[in-house]
Formats: sequence, C-alpha cells, structure tokens
Amino acid sequence: SQTIHQWPATLVQPVGSPLSLECTVEGTSNPNLYWYRQAAGRGLQLLFYSVGIGQISSEVPQNLSASRPQDRQFILSSKKLLLSDSGFYLCACGQGNTEAFFGQGTRLTVV
Amino acid sequence: AQSVTQLDSQVPVFEEAPVELRCNYSSSVSVYLFWYVQYPNQGLQLLLKYLSGSTLVESINGFEAEFNKSQTSFHLRKPSVHISDTAEYFCAVSETGTYKYIFGTGTRLKVLA
Repeated sequence: SQTIHQWPATLVQPVGSPLSLECTVEGTSNPNLYWYRQAAGRGLQLLFYSVGIGQISSEVPQNLSASRPQDRQFILSSKKLLLSDSGFYLCACGQGNTEAFFGQGTRLTVV
Repeated sequence: AQSVTQLDSQVPVFEEAPVELRCNYSSSVSVYLFWYVQYPNQGLQLLLKYLSGSTLVESINGFEAEFNKSQTSFHLRKPSVHISDTAEYFCAVSETGTYKYIFGTGTRLKVLA
C-alpha cells in the first residue's frame, strides 16, 4: 500500500518568510495528490489537488500555491507567510475514488 | 456540491457503553463514504469505507457504519467502547467522477473510565 512522507513534522516561521513543505509518495504510481489544512473546530479544508504532473487545482483562494514536479512529489509553497497560515497541513494520495492515504502532517506556526 | 455534516463536535461516553457518531452528506450523484480516525498530532487513518455492495460495513476493531441513501447518512457505531477509542473521527465523501474528498468538521470522542 501507499506510504506518504511529509517533512518537517513541525515548523515555526516568522511572518513574511517563505514556505516549502514537501510530500513524497511510495508504493504507487500516477496517484492523485492532495494538500489539506486542519484548523481547530473546522475539520479538513481541501487546499489543492493534482491528478498528474504539472496539473494543479486550487480549491480556496489564499496565500499558498502547490506544484507537482514529479509523479510522486507534491510541494506546498508560500512566498510570504501570514499569521492565518498557521495550522496542521496534511498531504494525502488516492487512486480514483478509493480511500485516501494520509501523511503524518506538518504543524506550522507562523509567529 | 458535495458536503458533509457532523453535528456532534464532542461526544463523551463511559467505557463499555455504546456510541453513535452521526454523519450526513449532501450530493446529487452517487457517492463513496469513509470514516477516518485521528490521534493527537498524527495523520488520518482509514477506519472503514463504503464503495458499493452491502450498506453495512465493519472495521477490524468493532466499529460499523451503515449507508442509508434515503436519509443521506453514514453513522458510525460501536456497541462497547474502550479508553483507546478516544480520538477524533472524521466522516468524508467522494462523489463518483470527481477526485476530491470532502470532510466533515470532525467529532471528538472521549471515553471515560
């Protein structure tokens, strides 16, 4: 089955600094990839998803962007972080409509 | 558009008591349904799923959920909970023909001794 690697596990960044979170997937090819953000009491908000290399769909207008330079690599970025970007970021992968598999997440605190 | 409602944000229950976590969804097409569990500071783990076939699905640790199309529900139940079941539980839906998983806001289950 798929294994999702996310790093780092925790990150503290100052307001206005750039961000790069990386997610890589093992055990599958041509997966659908997802970035979610989890805030307390708000569940999981879908930020971006990708069905192939270079194909990115954005779900919510925001200060973030995503890229998929390789089949099993998904990157979440920001040029200038805002306080409101703090949260728990989760990468996931899926095939068709079967279940999504999640990484262990990155807790981002913007100070 | 698809959406998921988990009305109960927190559910306290005593150990060995039964529990039901409610999930309702909204969709105009066929859906696939999922329950995930999350322990503190970890990712989500799949608990069980409904893709097709029998509307009653079970997990290996005693949870079950029933897909009710007429009521657009997928409630999660366990007849006797353990302390170790304390976690946050998320219901999710994926519409056929899309690649998106939409999650509810979660229910925090707290099992009391």
